[in-house]
Amino acid sequence: EADIYQTPRYLVIGTGKKITLECSQTMGHDKMYWYQQDPGMELHLIHYSYGVNSTEKGDLSSESTVSRIRTEHFPLTLESARPSHTSQYLCASSDTGLGYTFGSGTRLTVV
Amino acid sequence: QKEVEQNSGPLSVPEGAIASLNCTYSDRGSQSFFWYRQYSGKSPELIMFIYSNGDKEDGRFTAQLNKASQYVSLLIRDSQPSDSATYLCACVEGRGSTLGRLYFGRGTQLTVWP
Repeated sequence: EADIYQTPRYLVIGTGKKITLECSQTMGHDKMYWYQQDPGMELHLIHYSYGVNSTEKGDLSSESTVSRIRTEHFPLTLESARPSHTSQYLCASSDTGLGYTFGSGTRLTVV
Repeated sequence: QKEVEQNSGPLSVPEGAIASLNCTYSDRGSQSFFWYRQYSGKSPELIMFIYSNGDKEDGRFTAQLNKASQYVSLLIRDSQPSDSATYLCACVEGRGSTLGRLYFGRGTQLTVWP
């Protein structure tokens, strides 16, 4: 049973809308990550956090923002969605040295 | 910039054969290595991890690590069609402010045909 949850699983939304992708974990992990992945392509780190009130941008420039007000919650927000934001967004958490646990992902389509 | 290199494939093997997946990494400080399996449209799932030089076996899977050569591999024995997926190699950041972060390779696509 998954200990890291992402909602929604699928989202189709119009251009210009504000959206928030939710990610929550029940494992008490301090480290959390957001990845973007297009079909058949590699994972790109877009944001990470090493604890409450700590957030950093990843390797891939992204117009999204994140917050970490509670250990278990790491939401990602797009203020104004565009078709170029269409992708799969994967959230992950980790305990140092033990690898990542990934959520099921959110598949976002912006029309 | 830490790098993890994998052959993108596709690698195609018949059912029952041994599939060999290879990975090299650039961070000499890395101590932990992971193999993830990702089915099409799904999220990655951890299948093996290895910390020490040598081999580590878990069922049909064997991970091999050679830190001197900065090389990690995954062998899948008695390959099954259900093993068809993309396999991601990852290593942990060895030191510094991003301690614990995983660096992923691009993945190797494996197809096992009946």
